[in-house]
Amino acid sequence: AQKVTQAQTEISVVEKEDVTLDCVYETRDTTYYLFWYKQPPSGELVFLIRRNSFDEQNEISGRYSWNFQKSTSSFNFTITASQVVDSAVYFCALDYSGGGADGLTFGKGTHLIIQP
Amino acid sequence: DAGITQSPRHKVTETGTPVTLRCHQTENHRYMYWYRQDPGHGLRLIHYSYGVKDTDKGEVSDGYSVSRSKTEDFLLTLESATSSQTSVYFCAIRGLAAYNEQFFGPGTRLTVL
Repeated sequence: AQKVTQAQTEISVVEKEDVTLDCVYETRDTTYYLFWYKQPPSGELVFLIRRNSFDEQNEISGRYSWNFQKSTSSFNFTITASQVVDSAVYFCALDYSGGGADGLTFGKGTHLIIQP
Repeated sequence: DAGITQSPRHKVTETGTPVTLRCHQTENHRYMYWYRQDPGHGLRLIHYSYGVKDTDKGEVSDGYSVSRSKTEDFLLTLESATSSQTSVYFCAIRGLAAYNEQFFGPGTRLTVL
C-alpha cells in the first residue's frame, strides 16, 4: 500500500522567511514518481514538480527547491524568501508506475500562511 | 492550460436525488480521473479511465459510478446522493505517458442537503 504523510498541518511564517514543507512517503515499488501541487485560496490545483525514483538530484526553480532523499523516503519542498503570494495549501503526491494509469496518492496537505 | 472544464461548478441537491458531474477535455488525453477533496483528507481517487469505456475503481468508489463514451467526456454519477458526498470534486487528466503529471480541472462544489 502507498501512503504519503505531510505531518505539518499548518505553518505560519513572516514574509521573507525561508520555509520547508515536509513530505514522507511509503511504497513497495522500486519505480515511482513524486509530485508537489499548490492550491491557492482560489481553489485550483497547480502542478509544481515531478520527480522520479531514479533521480535523486535536488532541483531548484527560482525561490523553490526540492530535496529528494530515497534513504529517508522524503521529498521536501523549500521556499526561500517567502512571499504573501506563496500562501496556499501544498500537496505532496505519489504515483507508482505499475505500467497502468492509476491515480495519485495524496498527502493531506500543508496549509502555508505567509504573513506580511 | 490543459483544456479541462467541469460542469456544473456549483450544485446544491437533496439527499436521495441522482447527480451527474461532467468533465470535458479538449486535448484527446487518454487517462482521466475523478477525485474528491475533503478537509483533513487531501484528495482521494474515486474512479479513473484509461480509454473509452475503460474505467476502474479508486480508493473511495462506493456510491459512485462513471462512464466514458467519448474520449473527451468523463461523467461521474451519484445514483442517490447522501450528505457524506458533500465535497469538492476534481477531474484530472494525465499527460501522454502513464508517469506524467496530472492536470486538474477547476473543481465542482457539491452540497447534499
